[in-house]
Amino acid sequence: AQSVTQLGSHVSVSEGALVLLRCNYSSSVPPYLFWYVQYPNQGLQLLLKYTTGATLVKGINGFEAEFKKSETSFHLTKPSAHMSDAAEYFCAVETSGSRLTFGEGTQLTVNP
Amino acid sequence: EPEVTQTPSHQVTQMGQEVILRCVPISNHLYFYWYRQILGQKVEFLVSFYNNEISEKSEIFDDQFSVERPDGSNFTLKIRSTKLEDSAMYFCASSAGLAGVKSEQYFGPGTRLTVT
Repeated sequence: AQSVTQLGSHVSVSEGALVLLRCNYSSSVPPYLFWYVQYPNQGLQLLLKYTTGATLVKGINGFEAEFKKSETSFHLTKPSAHMSDAAEYFCAVETSGSRLTFGEGTQLTVNP
Repeated sequence: EPEVTQTPSHQVTQMGQEVILRCVPISNHLYFYWYRQILGQKVEFLVSFYNNEISEKSEIFDDQFSVERPDGSNFTLKIRSTKLEDSAMYFCASSAGLAGVKSEQYFGPGTRLTVT
């Protein structure tokens, strides 16, 4: 079965610092991977996705993620954190049919 | 930009009552989904729907749940007899396709269901 694991339920960074949110996947077939962001009291917004092709994927709001098959990872990064990045981030893998299987989520706090 | 909408934003109901959560997917999308998120837990898949029938459902989606696309725009989730443990945020999503370029799912803002 396909699954994702997010390391670290809470990550805290200073404004301007590098953001690194970790996601590892388990899949027996080439995975389709996604990062979603959830702001307080809002729905899930797609940040970026990997399907095939280029392994470095750029998304909205300056985020990017790199698919590393050898490490079964799809970590999310942003060079410089902004206060508005504070939210919960979910990694997801598309499994059988079209269901998304989500990770536990990582709450990002950005300190001034 | 097209978006998925959901009504109501918050529903309070008594245990044993029936509730219907409503969603309007993005107009040219063909695949529809319901997910739920119990407070403090991860988002869980409930059901997917295509061509007027259920494509896939999870073990959570038991006989008390049903989905329907009653007209060309709405997509509904019915919970027949609510239980306390049904309290959660319910998200509707839609996508233009499957598995690949068009497979990204767009989520609505959610309906918070509180069962008392």
